[in-house]
Amino acid sequence: GQQVMQIPQYQHVQEGEDFTTYCNSSTTLSNIQWYKQRPGGHPVFLIQLVKSGEVKKQKRLTFQFGEAKKNSSLHITATQTTDVGTYFCAEGAGGTSYGKLTFGQGTILTVHP
Amino acid sequence: NAGVTQTPKFQVLKTGQSMTLQCAQDMNHEYMSWYRQDPGMGLRLIHYSVGAGITDQGEVPNGYNVSRSTTEDFPLRLLSAAPSQTSVYFCASSRLGGGDNEQFFGPGTRLTVL
Repeated sequence: GQQVMQIPQYQHVQEGEDFTTYCNSSTTLSNIQWYKQRPGGHPVFLIQLVKSGEVKKQKRLTFQFGEAKKNSSLHITATQTTDVGTYFCAEGAGGTSYGKLTFGQGTILTVHP
Repeated sequence: NAGVTQTPKFQVLKTGQSMTLQCAQDMNHEYMSWYRQDPGMGLRLIHYSVGAGITDQGEVPNGYNVSRSTTEDFPLRLLSAAPSQTSVYFCASSRLGGGDNEQFFGPGTRLTVL
């Protein structure tokens, strides 16, 4: 079954408000990837985090990997209507399972203008 | 580069019918995989391949077959469609190695089984 739990399932915000989605695991994650899927579209890779405590930024998006590598978060500052979509975290496997991803359930973001 | 392509985009089947979902990539990626997406379930891995001639099962393989005769193509076969297989199917590919396994997804096939 699912090894990564993602919350919240839904988030409605007014344009300009901040947004955060969280990804949690009971086991240590090898690495974490984040994807965005626009309505009716396909998942698009955003970023990969590998190191404990890692923080990466992409313009208004900030990605964090927990010190224990059991959780991760995606924070969007000052949301825009173009941020609408579903955000997924996914654990990437290593070793002989390299390339396999286990996805969280996703957070559906709605932005009201 | 076209990236990852999938055909058809939409398909309606009757219970018991068979069909093949096509997937091709032109990025010379070793790794290819099939996911299904259902509401509230995220994406679940069906089958994957780490190279031509090598396939393995994912989380939900029952009712699906795959083969990988070339690096470029990774078709998914439904031998006897069931309503529970109504879903959106995504094919994805990535490089192997290098510590970066960004997945490139195709546009998806929306399948309805009546």
